[in-house]
Amino acid sequence: EVQVVESGGGLVQPGGSLRLSCAASGFTFSNYAMNWVRQAPGKGLEWVSGLSPSGDATYYADSVKGRFTISRDNSKNTLFLHMNSLRTGDTAVYYCAKGQDIWGKGTTVTVSS
Amino acid sequence: SSELTQDPAVSVALGQTVRITCQGDSLNIYYATWYQQKPGQAPVLVIYGQNNRPSGIPDRFSGSSSGDTASLTITGAQAEDEADYYCNSRDSSGHHLLFGGGTRLTVL
Repeated sequence: EVQVVESGGGLVQPGGSLRLSCAASGFTFSNYAMNWVRQAPGKGLEWVSGLSPSGDATYYADSVKGRFTISRDNSKNTLFLHMNSLRTGDTAVYYCAKGQDIWGKGTTVTVSS
Repeated sequence: SSELTQDPAVSVALGQTVRITCQGDSLNIYYATWYQQKPGQAPVLVIYGQNNRPSGIPDRFSGSSSGDTASLTITGAQAEDEADYYCNSRDSSGHHLLFGGGTRLTVL
Protein backbone atom coordinates (compact mmCIF):
# COMPACT_ATOMS: atom_id res chain seq x y z
CA GLU A 1 0.00 0.00 0.00
CA VAL A 2 1.28 3.42 -0.95
CA GLN A 3 1.31 5.66 2.10
CA VAL A 4 3.04 8.53 3.84
CA VAL A 5 2.96 9.06 7.60
CA GLU A 6 3.83 12.35 9.26
CA SER A 7 5.26 12.80 12.73
CA GLY A 8 7.01 15.38 14.86
CA GLY A 9 4.25 17.87 15.51
CA GLY A 10 3.63 19.39 18.91
CA LEU A 11 3.36 22.53 20.98
CA VAL A 12 6.17 25.05 20.62
CA GLN A 13 6.62 28.63 21.78
CA PRO A 14 6.87 31.51 19.33
CA GLY A 15 10.40 31.77 18.02
CA GLY A 16 11.01 28.09 18.59
CA SER A 17 11.91 25.27 16.23
CA LEU A 18 10.47 21.93 15.24
CA ARG A 19 11.33 19.19 12.78
CA LEU A 20 8.61 17.27 11.01
CA SER A 21 9.22 13.88 9.41
CA CYS A 22 7.31 11.98 6.76
CA ALA A 23 7.93 8.25 6.36
CA ALA A 24 7.08 6.90 2.92
CA SER A 25 6.32 3.31 1.94
CA GLY A 26 4.83 1.32 -0.91
CA PHE A 27 6.52 3.26 -3.72
CA THR A 28 9.99 4.17 -4.97
CA PHE A 29 10.47 7.27 -2.87
CA SER A 30 13.51 8.54 -4.77
CA ASN A 31 11.47 8.80 -7.99
CA TYR A 32 8.96 11.34 -6.73
CA ALA A 33 8.80 15.00 -5.85
CA MET A 34 7.35 15.59 -2.41
CA ASN A 35 5.41 18.44 -0.87
CA TRP A 36 4.34 19.84 2.48
CA VAL A 37 0.91 21.43 2.70
CA ARG A 38 -0.66 22.94 5.81
CA GLN A 39 -4.13 23.80 7.00
CA ALA A 40 -4.71 26.29 9.77
CA PRO A 41 -7.71 25.64 12.04
CA GLY A 42 -10.92 26.28 10.12
CA LYS A 43 -9.04 27.46 7.06
CA GLY A 44 -8.16 26.15 3.60
CA LEU A 45 -5.12 24.36 2.27
CA GLU A 46 -1.83 26.22 1.86
CA TRP A 47 1.17 24.82 0.02
CA VAL A 48 4.30 25.23 2.14
CA SER A 49 7.24 23.66 0.33
CA GLY A 50 8.26 21.20 -2.37
CA LEU A 51 11.33 19.14 -3.17
CA SER A 52 12.58 17.41 -6.32
CA PRO A 53 13.13 13.63 -6.37
CA SER A 54 16.88 13.95 -5.89
CA GLY A 55 16.56 16.74 -3.35
CA ASP A 56 18.63 19.21 -5.32
CA ALA A 57 15.77 21.60 -6.03
CA THR A 58 13.70 23.13 -3.24
CA TYR A 59 10.74 25.49 -3.36
CA TYR A 60 9.01 27.52 -0.66
CA ALA A 61 5.94 29.64 -0.17
CA ASP A 62 6.78 33.25 0.54
CA SER A 63 5.21 32.89 4.00
CA VAL A 64 7.90 30.42 5.13
CA LYS A 65 10.91 31.23 2.95
CA GLY A 66 14.02 31.77 5.06
CA ARG A 67 12.47 30.09 8.11
CA PHE A 68 11.64 26.56 6.89
CA THR A 69 13.93 24.06 5.19
CA ILE A 70 12.74 21.00 3.30
CA SER A 71 15.01 17.99 2.86
CA ARG A 72 14.87 14.27 2.20
CA ASP A 73 16.84 11.12 2.92
CA ASN A 74 16.21 8.80 -0.01
CA SER A 75 18.12 5.98 1.70
CA LYS A 76 15.54 6.05 4.51
CA ASN A 77 12.47 6.98 2.45
CA THR A 78 11.92 10.00 4.65
CA LEU A 79 11.00 13.63 4.01
CA PHE A 80 11.68 16.39 6.52
CA LEU A 81 10.57 19.91 7.24
CA HIS A 82 12.79 21.91 9.55
CA MET A 83 10.86 24.85 10.94
CA ASN A 84 12.62 27.75 12.67
CA SER A 85 11.45 31.10 14.02
CA LEU A 86 7.96 29.75 14.38
CA ARG A 87 5.06 32.18 14.62
CA THR A 88 1.53 31.79 15.91
CA GLY A 89 0.39 31.98 12.29
CA ASP A 90 2.25 28.73 11.59
CA THR A 91 -0.22 26.83 13.74
CA ALA A 92 -1.77 24.21 11.47
CA VAL A 93 -2.06 20.59 10.52
CA TYR A 94 0.90 19.81 8.30
CA TYR A 95 0.41 17.25 5.55
CA CYS A 96 3.07 15.44 3.60
CA ALA A 97 2.15 14.58 0.01
CA LYS A 98 3.68 12.31 -2.60
CA GLY A 99 3.63 14.67 -5.52
CA GLN A 100 0.03 15.79 -5.58
CA ASP A 101 -1.71 12.44 -5.16
CA ILE A 102 -1.10 10.58 -1.88
CA TRP A 103 -1.43 12.52 1.37
CA GLY A 104 -0.81 11.50 4.94
CA LYS A 105 -3.19 12.08 7.84
CA GLY A 106 -1.16 15.05 8.99
CA THR A 107 0.63 16.16 12.14
CA THR A 108 -0.48 19.11 14.25
CA VAL A 109 1.82 22.02 15.01
CA THR A 110 0.70 24.52 17.63
CA VAL A 111 2.73 27.67 18.17
CA SER A 112 1.67 29.34 21.37
CA SER A 113 3.11 30.80 24.54
CA SER B 1 -2.30 36.18 -11.20
CA SER B 2 -1.10 33.42 -8.89
CA GLU B 3 -4.48 32.70 -7.34
CA LEU B 4 -7.21 30.15 -7.80
CA THR B 5 -10.76 31.31 -7.06
CA GLN B 6 -13.61 29.05 -5.94
CA ASP B 7 -17.13 29.78 -4.77
CA PRO B 8 -17.20 29.37 -0.97
CA ALA B 9 -20.34 27.26 -0.88
CA VAL B 10 -22.57 25.29 -3.21
CA SER B 11 -25.61 23.12 -2.55
CA VAL B 12 -27.25 20.34 -4.52
CA ALA B 13 -30.34 18.21 -4.09
CA LEU B 14 -29.73 14.53 -3.52
CA GLY B 15 -29.33 12.74 -6.84
CA GLN B 16 -28.91 15.91 -8.86
CA THR B 17 -25.85 17.20 -10.71
CA VAL B 18 -23.57 19.89 -9.35
CA ARG B 19 -20.61 21.71 -10.86
CA ILE B 20 -17.87 23.24 -8.74
CA THR B 21 -15.63 25.72 -10.53
CA CYS B 22 -12.10 27.02 -10.11
CA GLN B 23 -10.74 30.03 -11.94
CA GLY B 24 -7.17 31.21 -12.37
CA ASP B 25 -4.63 32.25 -14.97
CA SER B 26 -2.47 29.19 -14.35
CA LEU B 27 -5.33 26.98 -15.53
CA ASN B 28 -4.61 28.18 -19.05
CA ILE B 29 -1.35 26.21 -18.75
CA TYR B 30 -1.91 23.46 -16.19
CA TYR B 31 -4.77 21.09 -15.50
CA ALA B 32 -6.48 21.39 -12.15
CA THR B 33 -6.27 18.69 -9.53
CA TRP B 34 -9.30 18.26 -7.27
CA TYR B 35 -9.43 17.08 -3.67
CA GLN B 36 -12.30 16.14 -1.39
CA GLN B 37 -11.92 16.77 2.33
CA LYS B 38 -14.39 15.62 4.96
CA PRO B 39 -14.34 17.01 8.52
CA GLY B 40 -11.37 15.82 10.53
CA GLN B 41 -9.87 13.96 7.60
CA ALA B 42 -7.00 14.52 5.19
CA PRO B 43 -7.75 15.61 1.63
CA VAL B 44 -8.33 12.84 -0.88
CA LEU B 45 -7.52 13.14 -4.57
CA VAL B 46 -10.64 12.77 -6.74
CA ILE B 47 -9.64 14.14 -10.17
CA TYR B 48 -6.26 14.76 -11.81
CA GLY B 49 -5.02 15.56 -15.28
CA GLN B 50 -7.47 16.09 -18.10
CA ASN B 51 -10.15 13.98 -16.42
CA ASN B 52 -8.67 11.07 -14.48
CA ARG B 53 -10.00 9.38 -11.37
CA PRO B 54 -7.78 7.47 -8.93
CA SER B 55 -8.77 3.94 -8.14
CA GLY B 56 -11.75 3.87 -5.78
CA ILE B 57 -13.24 7.22 -6.78
CA PRO B 58 -16.79 6.78 -8.12
CA ASP B 59 -17.38 7.57 -11.77
CA ARG B 60 -19.97 10.19 -10.83
CA PHE B 61 -16.97 12.50 -10.33
CA SER B 62 -15.59 14.09 -13.49
CA GLY B 63 -13.40 17.02 -14.43
CA SER B 64 -13.26 19.45 -17.31
CA SER B 65 -11.52 22.63 -18.30
CA SER B 66 -12.05 25.61 -20.56
CA GLY B 67 -9.58 28.45 -20.74
CA ASP B 68 -8.85 29.74 -17.26
CA THR B 69 -11.65 27.78 -15.59
CA ALA B 70 -11.66 24.19 -14.39
CA SER B 71 -14.75 22.36 -13.21
CA LEU B 72 -15.50 19.37 -11.03
CA THR B 73 -18.86 17.81 -11.80
CA ILE B 74 -20.69 15.34 -9.59
CA THR B 75 -23.44 13.61 -11.53
CA GLY B 76 -26.04 12.21 -9.17
CA ALA B 77 -24.73 13.62 -5.90
CA GLN B 78 -24.91 11.36 -2.87
CA ALA B 79 -25.11 12.24 0.80
CA GLU B 80 -21.54 11.04 1.29
CA ASP B 81 -20.32 13.62 -1.22
CA GLU B 82 -20.99 16.40 1.27
CA ALA B 83 -17.52 17.81 1.91
CA ASP B 84 -15.09 20.60 1.13
CA TYR B 85 -13.59 20.52 -2.34
CA TYR B 86 -10.30 22.15 -3.24
CA CYS B 87 -8.76 22.78 -6.64
CA ASN B 88 -5.01 22.79 -7.07
CA SER B 89 -2.63 23.77 -9.83
CA ARG B 90 0.83 25.25 -10.31
CA ASP B 91 1.95 28.82 -10.63
CA SER B 92 3.55 30.16 -13.80
CA SER B 93 6.99 28.94 -12.70
CA GLY B 94 5.65 25.41 -12.50
CA HIS B 95 7.36 24.85 -9.17
CA HIS B 96 4.94 26.33 -6.66
CA LEU B 97 1.59 24.75 -5.96
CA LEU B 98 -1.56 26.82 -5.68
CA PHE B 99 -4.80 25.96 -3.90
CA GLY B 100 -8.20 27.46 -4.30
CA GLY B 101 -9.98 28.64 -1.19
CA GLY B 102 -12.26 25.62 -1.19
CA THR B 103 -15.94 25.04 -1.87
CA ARG B 104 -18.21 23.58 0.81
CA LEU B 105 -20.72 21.28 -0.86
CA THR B 106 -24.01 20.67 0.91
CA VAL B 107 -26.23 17.82 -0.28
CA LEU B 108 -29.86 18.63 0.53
